[in-house]
Amino acid sequence: AQSVSQHNHHVILSEAASLELGCNYSYGGTVNLFWYVQYPGQHLQLLLKYFSGDPLVKGIKGFEAEFIKSKFSFNLRKPSVQWSDTAEYFCAVKGGGFKTIFGAGTRLFVKA
Amino acid sequence: DTGVSQDPRHKITKRGQNVTFRCDPISEHNRLYWYRQTLGQGPEFLTYFQNEAQLEKSRLLSDRFSAERPKGSFSTLEIQRTEQGDSAMYLCASSLAGAEHNSPLHFGNGTRLTVT
Repeated sequence: AQSVSQHNHHVILSEAASLELGCNYSYGGTVNLFWYVQYPGQHLQLLLKYFSGDPLVKGIKGFEAEFIKSKFSFNLRKPSVQWSDTAEYFCAVKGGGFKTIFGAGTRLFVKA
Repeated sequence: DTGVSQDPRHKITKRGQNVTFRCDPISEHNRLYWYRQTLGQGPEFLTYFQNEAQLEKSRLLSDRFSAERPKGSFSTLEIQRTEQGDSAMYLCASSLAGAEHNSPLHFGNGTRLTVT
């Protein structure tokens, strides 16, 4: 069965600090990987996705993620966070079949 | 693109009552999903439709839960004889199947259910 593990449940950073959120998944076959973000009071929305090709993918608002197949990882990064990045971030994987499996989420709070 | 719409936004009900939620997906999306999210957890998959056909159903979905998508457009999720453990945010999402089989999910704002 597929599963997704996010390493940190809560992260607090100051503005301009660098961000890295860990995500590991378990699935032996070809996967599609996603990061979704939920800003306060808003619905879940796609931040970035990996289907194939270049393992370094860029998303909106300066976020990027790197797929490392050998480590079953898809970590999210941003060089310099802003107060407006305060949100909950979910890593998700889609393997065989149609359902997308989500991690438990990481709550990021950025201090102004 | 008016987005995925869910109704109601909030529902408070007494244990044992039945509740029904509605989801209107993005109009051209033929895939529709229901998820449930509780505090501190990510969305958990409940069920999936392609057009009007319910193709997958999670083991989490007891026989008190039923979902329909009668004309391949909007969907309803009904919970019968609600229990306090059913309290959660119920999320609907839609996506487009086609040449790109792995299009991402577009979520609604959810229906927050509280069972007292």
